[in-house]
Amino acid sequence: NAGVMQNPRHLVRRRGQEARLRCSPMKGHSHVYWYRQLPEEGLKFMVYLQKENIIDESGMPKERFSAEFPKEGPSILRIQQVVRGDSAAYFCASSVGQGNTEAFFGQGTRLTVV
Amino acid sequence: AQTVTQSQPEMSVQEAETVTLSCTYDTSESNYYLFWYKQPPSRQMILVIRQEAYKQQNATENRFSVNFQKAAKSFSLKISDSQLGDTAMYFCAFMAMYSGGGADGLTFGKGTHLIIQP
Repeated sequence: NAGVMQNPRHLVRRRGQEARLRCSPMKGHSHVYWYRQLPEEGLKFMVYLQKENIIDESGMPKERFSAEFPKEGPSILRIQQVVRGDSAAYFCASSVGQGNTEAFFGQGTRLTVV
Repeated sequence: AQTVTQSQPEMSVQEAETVTLSCTYDTSESNYYLFWYKQPPSRQMILVIRQEAYKQQNATENRFSVNFQKAAKSFSLKISDSQLGDTAMYFCAFMAMYSGGGADGLTFGKGTHLIIQP
């Protein structure tokens, strides 16, 4: 049973390009959370998704960021027109269902904007 | 909104010693969980221990135990017989639970870098 898979592990984008980060949850998990970790900081909640639904996007910047979790395929965190301040590690976690307190984390995608 | 505070940016102890990492939190919620996560250099977030707020008994997992003081909103992690492999960042985290089974995402502290010296 594979864990939470995130790809790519490292992503380099030039300012103004788009970044797409993928997260495949653990088998049987239908809930996905995205977090951002800036250097020397803890993880900050961004968005919580269930398949085909956004449950809570209160931590997501209002512009340039979007997330989806389609019926088939991985969850995608999309950042348009990246800026240097978007450089961070982005983590995905999955759980069986809402309210399940055991969330399993992926290894993260480190985004570097040059 | 919840806040989680870890006041020790870095700690260093000798192998086999006991070390305690501190965490305080602030919330108006009555039903919640508290967690300690470990993040080694690989960046993988690993759940160390979990405590339900309505349980008075402190959680224990092998060498890891917590001291949960609900009135003081304090949740410290004790690591006994520390090992070199315990070297990592440790994050305290909070999750509010709502009636009907809903839950927020995790709110994390800024972390404590724990170094175990040989």
